[in-house]
Amino acid sequence: GEDVEQSLFLSVREGDSSVINCTYTDSSSTYLYWYKQEPGAGLQLLTYIFSNMDMKQDQRLTVLLNKKDKHLSLRIADTQTGDSAIYFCAESSGNTPLVFGKGTRLSVIA
Amino acid sequence: EAQVTQNPRYLITVTGKKLTVTCSQNMNHEYMSWYRQDPGLGLRQIYYSMNVEVTDKGDVPEGYKVSRKEKRNFPLILESPSPNQTSLYFCASSLGLGSGNQPQHFGDGTRLSIL
Repeated sequence: GEDVEQSLFLSVREGDSSVINCTYTDSSSTYLYWYKQEPGAGLQLLTYIFSNMDMKQDQRLTVLLNKKDKHLSLRIADTQTGDSAIYFCAESSGNTPLVFGKGTRLSVIA
Repeated sequence: EAQVTQNPRYLITVTGKKLTVTCSQNMNHEYMSWYRQDPGLGLRQIYYSMNVEVTDKGDVPEGYKVSRKEKRNFPLILESPSPNQTSLYFCASSLGLGSGNQPQHFGDGTRLSIL
């Protein structure tokens, strides 16, 4: 079945950029998502990208998609302590349920 | 305010005692889903529902039941809970699966402990 892989931990200093990486196996993936989970809360959609796009930027967030390598990344510029959370990559072919990665725990050091 | 509401938020119970976790959404969403989140395993889908009276198994349905009698409600039922069902559970809803810009809205989670 489809699989989504992420590294489990990332630690960065406040003010630096964070890059969270994700790989997926389903070549029919049409939509790719990044969700954020803060402590004690549910998941919140951060951003998404269609498979026919290479890049999407939204304020401090930049999503890069390499469809050939099935690689997705989320870059957070000027990382703040409030960005500390678990970030989930997810994919869908559009008419199938989302498949989530295991999540990357981002720790921001002041 | 658009939201997905789960109850209870926390529950400690004993093996074999039937329990129900309720989920309600006020956005007229067709698609609803239940996940469990466990350390090192991420989110795993238990059951989902594309519409009223339509439910399907996710990746880990064993030991769970669901029903979708009304559009807004999607309760998760554990007929005979066991300790391996101790987990953090999330309900989610979205307009549908047909378009990528339909985000899933998540509830705040229910932490279940089965002793």
